[in-house]
Amino acid sequence: SQKIEQNSEALNIQEGKTATLTCNYTNYSPAYLQWYRQDPGRGPVFLLLIRENEKEKRKERLKVTFDTTLKQSLFHITASQPADSATYLCALVGWNRDDKIIFGKGTRLHILP
Amino acid sequence: DVKVTQSSRYLVKRTGEKVFLECVQDMDHENMFWYRQDPGLGLRLIYFSYDVKMKEKGDIPEGYSVSREKKERFSLILESASTNQTSMYLCASSASTGVGFTDTQYFGPGTRLTVL
Repeated sequence: SQKIEQNSEALNIQEGKTATLTCNYTNYSPAYLQWYRQDPGRGPVFLLLIRENEKEKRKERLKVTFDTTLKQSLFHITASQPADSATYLCALVGWNRDDKIIFGKGTRLHILP
Repeated sequence: DVKVTQSSRYLVKRTGEKVFLECVQDMDHENMFWYRQDPGLGLRLIYFSYDVKMKEKGDIPEGYSVSREKKERFSLILESASTNQTSMYLCASSASTGVGFTDTQYFGPGTRLTVL
C-alpha cells in the first residue's frame, strides 16, 4: 500500500541555521508533491509545490528538492527564524482523478533563539 | 485570497447528539474535503465532493455523512456523536485541473470537537 513517511521526532535547529526536513514515500508515483505548514490549532497552509519532472524549487528562504528515483523530497529553510517553528506536512498528489491527495503526519520544527 | 470558513472553532456535544459542521469557501472551487486530525495519526480523509450533490467516501467514513447542496458549502454530519469522534475537524477546498485532485488544498481554521 502507499506509504508516506516524515520524521516523527521533533527537529530542533539553532536560529540562523538551515533546517532540513525529509519526506519519503513508497509504492507511489506522484504527479507532484506539496509542502504545507501547520501552526498549533490551525489548518495547514500551502507553501510549495514541485512537479515530478522538477528537481528543485525555491521560494524566498524555502527550497524543495524532489528525487523520484530515491522517492524522497527534502524541504529546506535557510536562515531559520523562531517564527518558522511549526509542523510541516508533505503531501503526494497522483495523476488520476481517483488518486486522492496523501498527507504525511508531519514533522514538528523548533527554531531555537 | 481563498477563504475557507468553518462554522465553529470549538464545539462540545454529548454522546448520541446529532452534530453539524459547516464549511464555506468563497473561490468557486469544485472540490471540497473533510478531514479529521488526531495526534500521531495525521490527517485522515472522511469524505470529499467534486461537485454539487456528489460525494465520495474517504478513508474513514463510518459514523459520518455529508451534504453538498450548493457549490460553496459542504457539511459534515455526525449522526450520533460518540466519544471516539472527539477530534480536530478540518475542511478544505481545491480547484479542479485536468489531472483531478491535483491543485492546492486550502484549509479552514478547523473545529475542535469534544464529545462527552
